[in-house]
Amino acid sequence: AQSVTQLGSHVSVSEGALVLLRCNYSSSVPPYLFWYVQYPNQGLQLLLKYTSAATLVKGINGFEAEFKKSETSFHLTKPSAHMSDAAEYFCAVTLNSGNTPLVFGKGTRLSVIA
Amino acid sequence: DARVTQTPRHKVTEMGQEVTMRCQPILGHNTVFWYRQTMMQGLELLAYFRNRAPLDDSGMPKDRFSAEMPDATLATLKIQPSEPRDSAVYFCASGFPTGGGAEETQYFGPGTRLLVL
Repeated sequence: AQSVTQLGSHVSVSEGALVLLRCNYSSSVPPYLFWYVQYPNQGLQLLLKYTSAATLVKGINGFEAEFKKSETSFHLTKPSAHMSDAAEYFCAVTLNSGNTPLVFGKGTRLSVIA
Repeated sequence: DARVTQTPRHKVTEMGQEVTMRCQPILGHNTVFWYRQTMMQGLELLAYFRNRAPLDDSGMPKDRFSAEMPDATLATLKIQPSEPRDSAVYFCASGFPTGGGAEETQYFGPGTRLLVL
């Protein structure tokens, strides 16, 4: 069965600093990988997704992630943090195409300090 | 701006009462998911449907939970009887499978925040 591990339940960065949120997956076959963001009292919004095309994926709000098969990783980055980036971020995986259920990591709460 | 809608947004009830949560998927989406979010377990799948047929409901406690799609525009999740451990945020998501990986996005609703006293 596939699984996702997000290192660090809470990450704090200064405004303007690099954001790095870590995600490692466990899968026996090439996975589909996703990053979602959740703002307080809201649903999940897709940031970006990897579906076996380019390994460097660009998403909304200046975020990007790189799929590294050798490291089984899909870390999320943003060059310069903004106060509005403060939220909970979830990495998720599914093995099958055709919109099948996602397996989520535990989430990482990002705080941005002015 | 197409969105998944969920009602109610908040629900407070007493143990033993029936709870019904509703979801309207995005028009044209034929796959609907129910997820539950708790502090302890995080986000976990309860059930999902494709073309209104249940494909997987292994995540649901069968004795008290039931999920249905009366029609293509409505999905329901019922808990009867409710228990304090059911307190959580319940999310509905919808999507449309293209089979080729080009569109694998699940669109989430705002959730129903349930508190069982």
